[in-house]
Parts: sequence; structure tokens; C-alpha cells
Amino acid sequence: DSGVTQTPKHLITATGQRVTLRCSPRSGDLSVYWYQQSLDQGLQFLIQYYNGEERAKGNILERFSAQQFPDLHSELNLSSLELGDSALYFCASSVGQGIGGTQYFGPGTRLLVL
Amino acid sequence: AQTVTQSQPEMSVQEAETVTLSCTYDTSENNYYLFWYKQPPSRQMILVIRQEAYKQQNATENRFSVNFQKAAKSFSLKISDSQLGDTAMYFCAFIINSGNTPLVFGKGTRLSVIA
Repeated sequence: DSGVTQTPKHLITATGQRVTLRCSPRSGDLSVYWYQQSLDQGLQFLIQYYNGEERAKGNILERFSAQQFPDLHSELNLSSLELGDSALYFCASSVGQGIGGTQYFGPGTRLLVL
Repeated sequence: AQTVTQSQPEMSVQEAETVTLSCTYDTSENNYYLFWYKQPPSRQMILVIRQEAYKQQNATENRFSVNFQKAAKSFSLKISDSQLGDTAMYFCAFIINSGNTPLVFGKGTRLSVIA
């Protein structure tokens, strides 16, 4: 158990819908990262937050947004969902801003868009 | 751009044998960290081992060790006494030690440990 929690574990929805994925980092970690893993693919970095502020952006679609709240949990919002958004979404956390900080991953949320 | 290459999409090894997974990376930076993550069928991402680029000594963690060749930009993972529970996808990754940069992952090597 990495100490990072993600809810829900599974999500099935329809095209055009909007969903919210939630992540709670390890106790003491200030950075949260979101990654997308499509079937048989590596992990693609989406976005990073540090202590409530956006710090880095990767290949995140405009239909996707995220935020980190004062209690440091983070939410990833996916809207106008398409079939291709079906993937495993990971949240990871680290103590610092990514400066050598090891990232610990949550169990992921499996999203299926029908 | 930083890239990570894992040239072996699939590998297999007999139980109790030793196997080495390859990883090369490309960066112009000098200060960075390297990682191997394991993803078993449950798809949980589990940290296996970490290496600081400024350290010459290769990292070890029980049956897992790395061969870090900085000049060659190579970072291979050796698994000794392979166990059935080692069956997983293994991802090599690195991060620049300058803040606000993400982990860059390779595409992974699928390892099967055969009884």
C-alpha cells in the first residue's frame, strides 16, 4: 500500500458525460501528479499540482481539468468524454515539487467510456 | 526532449534464474534520478528501485539491482532468484532534478516468470 488513495476504483459512463476522479496523497506529500495509461501503453503525464498551485502541464486535453484543494486532495475532471478517453488514470504524490522526489502511485481509477 | 527507451517489449525467465531488463535514456541534463516501477496484473504501479545520477554506486534492493552507466545513459535492472510474483510490466523512468518536471516513462517490458 503506497498510502495514496484514489476513488472510485472503476467508472463506467457514456460519451459526452463528465466525471470526477479523486486522489488523496500520502500524508505529508505536497505534490500531486496525474497520469493516463491507455491499454498496453506507457504512462502519459497530464498535470502536476504543488500545495494547491499548478506547477507543470503535460499532454492534458482542454476537456480535462484538475485542482488541488487546501487539504491537498486533488480532483481530475474529465468532460465531454469520448471513447478514446477510456484508460487507467493514476494519481501519484511526492513530498516536494519533483526535485528528485520519488513519486508514489495510487491504485488508479479505471474509466470505461461506452 | 527527454526520452526513455526499453528495447525489450517482452521477456521470460525461469523461476530462480536471473534476468536483466534494459533501459536507455536521452537527456542533456546532468542531475537527475532514475527509477524502475513494476506493474503486476493488478495494474498497481509499485516502485522497485531508485538511483541518483550523482551516485556512482549502483542501487540495490533485495533481489533487485541496477547497472547504471551514466556515460552510456544506460540503466538496466537485474532481478536475481526470479519468483512467480515478479511477473509484471516493468517501466523505466527518470526525472530531471530541477523541479516542475514530470517523470518520463519508457513503454515497458513485460516479464513472465515461468515455473
